[in-house]
Amino acid sequence: SAVISQKPSRDICQRGTSLTIQCQVDSQVTMMFWYRQQPGQSLTLIATANQGSEATYESGFVIDKFPISRPNLTFSTLTVSNMSPEDSSIYLCSVPRAGGTNTEAFFGQGTRLTVV
Amino acid sequence: QKEVEQNSGPLSVPEGAIASLNCTYSDRGSQSFFWYRQYSGKSPELIMFIYSNGDKEDGRFTAQLNKASQYVSLLIRDSQPSDSATYLCAVYNTNAGKSTFGDGTTLTVKP
Repeated sequence: SAVISQKPSRDICQRGTSLTIQCQVDSQVTMMFWYRQQPGQSLTLIATANQGSEATYESGFVIDKFPISRPNLTFSTLTVSNMSPEDSSIYLCSVPRAGGTNTEAFFGQGTRLTVV
Repeated sequence: QKEVEQNSGPLSVPEGAIASLNCTYSDRGSQSFFWYRQYSGKSPELIMFIYSNGDKEDGRFTAQLNKASQYVSLLIRDSQPSDSATYLCAVYNTNAGKSTFGDGTTLTVKP
């Protein structure tokens, strides 16, 4: 199973600022995924980060708000820009199991973000 | 209507009982079905996946899939307090290339 290191594990940020979340995987993976889990709710896919191409965003999420980098096959970052209290959530990166789809996945430990 | 709906919780069962978690989905093109367990404050972990109609057993867990009824369930036999968690149903449509999670059902197993 893949080992996924995500940091920071939690942060409290001022509104209007930006936070970059890092995700490091111990093996090379083609796709990495970023999810948001708002309090008491399920996971919502934000975007798919592909190495060598722009990220693919899901409906309701835009690059200006959630820019993503994928410089190599083991690393990705998600930035939450111009934060507001509504961005308070847990952000999770995920990688597929070998031969799996993006729901048959391993998750990082998550970043708990609070915007004040 | 939500794309993936799970039975509303919380669900409470006594230790040793069978816990039954249900999930329905709206997209008939869905092909892969997953159950994740999420302990409070932790990230989800995959516990079962099923692709074909019928039952799939793994230890105390049994996943059941009925594509005609667009229904997938998870049974936990001999429930233990350590099974207390939120269980997320996830549905993936390979052709559409998208995945959808249910809102989860919180299970409490009382000693």
